[in-house]
Amino acid sequence: QSVLTQPPSVSGAPGQRVTISCTGSSSNIGAGYDVHWYQQLPGTAPKLLIDGNSNRPSGVPDRFSGSKSGTSASLAITGLQAEDEADYYCQSYDSTLSGPFCVFGSGTKVTVL
Amino acid sequence: EVHLLESGGGLVQPGGSLRLYCAASGFTFNSYEMTWVRQAPGKGLDWVSYISSGGDTTHYADSVKGRFTISRDNAKNSLYLQMNSLRAEDTAVYYCARLDHAFDSWGQGTLVTVSS
Repeated sequence: QSVLTQPPSVSGAPGQRVTISCTGSSSNIGAGYDVHWYQQLPGTAPKLLIDGNSNRPSGVPDRFSGSKSGTSASLAITGLQAEDEADYYCQSYDSTLSGPFCVFGSGTKVTVL
Repeated sequence: EVHLLESGGGLVQPGGSLRLYCAASGFTFNSYEMTWVRQAPGKGLDWVSYISSGGDTTHYADSVKGRFTISRDNAKNSLYLQMNSLRAEDTAVYYCARLDHAFDSWGQGTLVTVSS
């Protein structure tokens, strides 16, 4: 059971816009911790897609965007392309007695129809 | 270019031990915090452990606390994960990742299979 909840799957036709939600709580996203997003293409290691809620690392296309509000965050893909078919994970931190520790979302599979 | 290369995975019996290695290159290793993240077959990402840049601070997921030990040798640009008392549920691909606010660089992973 992941601390951060994502929809198992989303799909869209080429060129469409899809969004992936990442729902947390007052002990993680709602506590002010940043949310990061990763893309994992089939059979490969994860790759950082969005850093610090909404920042795109160098080389990431601008059709990917991130946002955060309250206890949730979202990843949007506009102008969906076949190469965007992958698993996407959000990541943040959760407060515990021993200090914040890393938590990942459950993951969302994006299918391009 | 940042490069992380894991090794040391393999098949081990329940209760056994394994030591994973991560060789780092292309950046100043001793300036960065490092982590291990695992992914069970067909499952999502699962954070395992963290170590500070100097190696003096470590954190572990509850699922591995007391069984796994993370360490580093900055002189050798290397990260390690000593895994003891392994269980079937530890079966996964283990990735080392550089932490710079987010996990900004990942290795290709090494597969650990715990089975009799």
